[in-house]
Amino acid sequence: AQSVSQHNHHVILSEAASLELGCNYSYGGTVNLFWYVQYPGQHLQLLLKYFSGDPLVKGIKGFEAEFIKSKFSFNLRKPSVQWSDTAEYFCAVNAGNNDMRFGAGTRLTVKP
Amino acid sequence: NAGVTQTPKFQVLKTGQSMTLQCAQDMNHEYMSWYRQDPGMGLRLIHYSVGAGITDQGEVPNGYNVSRSTTEDFPLRLLSAAPSQTSVYFCASSYGWGNTIYFGEGSWLTVV
Repeated sequence: AQSVSQHNHHVILSEAASLELGCNYSYGGTVNLFWYVQYPGQHLQLLLKYFSGDPLVKGIKGFEAEFIKSKFSFNLRKPSVQWSDTAEYFCAVNAGNNDMRFGAGTRLTVKP
Repeated sequence: NAGVTQTPKFQVLKTGQSMTLQCAQDMNHEYMSWYRQDPGMGLRLIHYSVGAGITDQGEVPNGYNVSRSTTEDFPLRLLSAAPSQTSVYFCASSYGWGNTIYFGEGSWLTVV
């Protein structure tokens, strides 16, 4: 089965700093890729997804992610974070089977 | 717009007790699943269903049972609760495994 690695467990940034969260997966075939966000006390919500086409995907709230097939990566980026971006971020991979695998999550703390 | 509804939101069990976490969705989704979320481990798939009458095991199925008698409902049963099952449980649904997953608000379970 596919697996997902998120390199950063906890990231602390000041407002207006740029953000990049790493995500790598292990599966050699076609994949669907997702980033979900979990704000404090809330359930997971979809941030963005990649199925095919342009490898640079734009999501909600100014987030974007780039799929680099050769590196098996799908890193999440935001040019300028806000305090309200404080949340936990999960990368997820579906390899076209009945299985969705999530990474361990990255907790982002944005200091005002 | 109810989406995915889980009950109860909080539950404390004694070791050895059994209980059922209820999950219902009103989006006519074929695919439903249960995840558990533990610190540092992200979300792990317990069981899933691709339609009424069809269920299968995920990554961590031991100690849990599921059934899918209707499209709408997908209850998760803990047969004999153990402290290792202390976790946050999320029910989820989607049109298909490659599509966006919609999550319930979570059920916080403590086994003492």
